[in-house]
Amino acid sequence: NAGVTQTPKFRILKIGQSMTLQCAQDMNHNYMYWYRQDPGMGLKLIYYSVGAGITDKGEVPNGYNVSRSTTEDFPLRLELAAPSQTSVYFCASSNRDGNEKLLFGSGTQLSVL
Amino acid sequence: AQKITQTQPGMFVQEKEAVTLDCTYDTSDPSYGLFWYKQPSSGEMIFLIYQGSYDQQNATEGRYSLNFQKARKSANLVISASQLGDSAMYFCAMRERGAQKLVFGQGTRLTINP
Repeated sequence: NAGVTQTPKFRILKIGQSMTLQCAQDMNHNYMYWYRQDPGMGLKLIYYSVGAGITDKGEVPNGYNVSRSTTEDFPLRLELAAPSQTSVYFCASSNRDGNEKLLFGSGTQLSVL
Repeated sequence: AQKITQTQPGMFVQEKEAVTLDCTYDTSDPSYGLFWYKQPSSGEMIFLIYQGSYDQQNATEGRYSLNFQKARKSANLVISASQLGDSAMYFCAMRERGAQKLVFGQGTRLTINP
């Protein structure tokens, strides 16, 4: 099915470990986003990309890195994981800005212990 | 800077009643879009409805309608004839024209009682 695919769905990390959250979309969307959602809270933007080779910081970028080498993929890298990064991570994409809705992946539940 | 406020942390409504979820926003850009998303307990984000700042009429999608009051900067979601399956978190979000990011409010947890 077409859409946004995130992997893994669940992950437990130890403090100081690193990992990459994968995100792929097959709708040829230019815009891709990474959000995090802490328990009982709204979504906060970590990083976003408006096309291959172009990325920019959102509201809460510290502790994360991204790359966008292709239109389809937008991985999120966590370096030196900290307990404060325990959250649900959502990847999303849209065709353009303005009135185009974001389509979300199913999320990754990450716990850092 | 964009800002979205949802003042109702939780709402409890009887099944079949209509419910209004409040959302106010702040922006200096005359061109923007307003969105509502539903997040059931399973966690996925489901798009419900969109309203553009220049749209003359309030948006409607089935049982969902958006009560858009531009001068008051409010974009309330109205759900008619509520159903048990409407129980979920609801998020209001805004994107300014030319801005790439969608900014979310804190959300309202809606519980529909039988």
